[in-house]
Amino acid sequence: AQSVTQLGSHVSVSEGALVLLRCNYSSSVPPYLFWYVQYPNQGLQLLLKYTSAATLVKGINGFEAEFKKSETSFHLTKPSAHMSDAAEYFCAVSEGDTNAGKSTFGDGTTLTVKP
Amino acid sequence: GAVVSQHPSWVICKSGTSVKIECRSLDFQATTMFWYRQFPKQSLMLMATSNEGSKATYEQGVEKDKFLINHASLTLSTLTVTSAHPEDSSFYICSARERETQYFGPGTRLLVL
Repeated sequence: AQSVTQLGSHVSVSEGALVLLRCNYSSSVPPYLFWYVQYPNQGLQLLLKYTSAATLVKGINGFEAEFKKSETSFHLTKPSAHMSDAAEYFCAVSEGDTNAGKSTFGDGTTLTVKP
Repeated sequence: GAVVSQHPSWVICKSGTSVKIECRSLDFQATTMFWYRQFPKQSLMLMATSNEGSKATYEQGVEKDKFLINHASLTLSTLTVTSAHPEDSSFYICSARERETQYFGPGTRLLVL
């Protein structure tokens, strides 16, 4: 079984400030972890993924995330927020080929960027 | 990167009619595709897993006779909402799996009047 918890349904930061979106997971096997971004009325775009290689993963748009097994976390960060980063962010976990690769998604975090 | 398309992006229909939504993987082959439903301000709810050449696997509580899924080729899966009712109005999103990653379509907004 797998699950994801995103702490904080809403996060607000000032433009230029650090972005930190929290994600904790549980998985019965070594997990694959993903962060997606969704803009209004659009599908999900993959930001980055962890698939058991390097624990610090760099993604698009300056985002990165670190896999911490001891903390069962995969928090998303960006050093300096841009107005264009305002969107909904989803963390997801899958168990690879187990269970057809189905992903379980968190409830999402709405990021607001203030000028 | 991998690209997934959906068609149509918007559809408005009368209650009782059926609506077909297409999901295509444009630059890769996908033996597995997924169909999700998303309500406003909520996360994605997995409806079914679509497997090429075999029957779809539906999640608990999803009516297989109402939401017909066909995955006839490695690049196309279709979702047909049969006898649609206003409560079926929602945002439907598909994804296609390439190795360990799901790539998502842009979504289809369905409004049933």
